[in-house]
Amino acid sequence: DADVTQTPRNRITKTGKRIMLECSQTKGHDRMYWYRQDPGLGLRLIYYSFDVKDINKGEISDGYSVSRQAQAKFSLSLESAIPNQTALYFCATRDAGVHEQFFGPGTRLTVL
Amino acid sequence: DQQVKQNSPSLSVQEGRISILNCDYTNSMFDYFLWYKKYPAEGPTFLISISSIKDKNEDGRFTVFLNKSAKHLSLHIVPSQPGDSAVYFCAASAVEGGSEKLVFGKGMKLTVNP
Repeated sequence: DADVTQTPRNRITKTGKRIMLECSQTKGHDRMYWYRQDPGLGLRLIYYSFDVKDINKGEISDGYSVSRQAQAKFSLSLESAIPNQTALYFCATRDAGVHEQFFGPGTRLTVL
Repeated sequence: DQQVKQNSPSLSVQEGRISILNCDYTNSMFDYFLWYKKYPAEGPTFLISISSIKDKNEDGRFTVFLNKSAKHLSLHIVPSQPGDSAVYFCAASAVEGGSEKLVFGKGMKLTVNP
């Protein structure tokens, strides 16, 4: 079984709709991250969380919100989706004291 | 302002030869560097890393070199294998103002031909 899972894997929605992307991990890591990847660009950080009570904005947080429901779950919401939020979204986890992040398989989101 | 640059979008090499992937950075606060490999329809997977206090780290066929004065690192794969064909991301890590930062390059597509 995968250590970091994301649901859904693919989603097509319309402008103005509210969308939630979910991430779960079984690695027991405290730190969780949401990134987006656009064609020809690297991964850019949206939000990150060091524990259930800690939420931090990343490089491109506008238009997004997150919820850390438990140590193992970190969800990303688009309150009112717009076409330029069409991208590949990745969740990642990291253990405190090490630098390596472990990524989920990604969610491909299309906003029409 | 792109702090981590992978200037070559693609590289093609023959099986058995060396692959050299380059990465440049601009922020002197970066103190740890990582390489990730990504196959289509999968998330990035960690490959190898290096601390800024070292200039070389080796793991099997993969070696990362760091030149701090030039703000340059490179990943060497030798011998290259067809299964190494993937997109490779360079990433750099720092803590600035109490905030954690991991910045990725745009990635480079490596193709290893049989």
